[in-house]
Amino acid sequence: DTAVSQTPKYLVTQMGNDKSIKCEQNLGHDTMYWYKQDSKKFLKIMFSYNNKELIINETVPNRFSPKSPDKAHLNLHINSLELGDSAVYFCASSHLATNYGYTFGSGTRLTVV
Amino acid sequence: AQSVSQHNHHVILSEAASLELGCNYSYGGTVNLFWYVQYPGQHLQLLLKYFSGDPLVKGIKGFEAEFIKSKFSFNLRKPSVQWSDTAEYFCAVNGGATNKLIFGTGTLLAVQP
Repeated sequence: DTAVSQTPKYLVTQMGNDKSIKCEQNLGHDTMYWYKQDSKKFLKIMFSYNNKELIINETVPNRFSPKSPDKAHLNLHINSLELGDSAVYFCASSHLATNYGYTFGSGTRLTVV
Repeated sequence: AQSVSQHNHHVILSEAASLELGCNYSYGGTVNLFWYVQYPGQHLQLLLKYFSGDPLVKGIKGFEAEFIKSKFSFNLRKPSVQWSDTAEYFCAVNGGATNKLIFGTGTLLAVQP
């Protein structure tokens, strides 16, 4: 019954690999987000989808590609992983119109070696 | 552009001490303000939020925050902290059509028993 669930929780991979992180929400929200939290705990928004439409696309390398097959799912695919991609990636969801705040997933800790 | 400043990066308190964490924001329009807490190794949880109305808002676990529009501030307070309040605290603001949530850099609170 988890509201926003991300998989995997931990991901260790080598430089140059391609990996995906999945996110699903069962809150009936229409908007989903990806945030990156770096080693200094700074949280920066990467992408947002509203009803499968991309509405926020921050300055992120094009190696990162989000995909939203429906409004309950938002996946993040990363090509040619680099050491600097190591971080915790959080998925979140909200209802755009009412804006009661975001609900966050538990995060995916990505370590690139 | 929206921005959020948290000037206290690291706060150390003894149990039962009072807490006030500063948050200032910059935004040209109507804003919604939030405080999130991140316990060690966990995801972000919403402590409280301000949309409109009474500028003093009460949240979970005995926390409260006061919105002072003239000072562009939304400081977090708790009269008596507990060891279990040890966590990272993030102030955040959003507004506009995309509902983008901008976070401050966070304040690490360590409560000593």
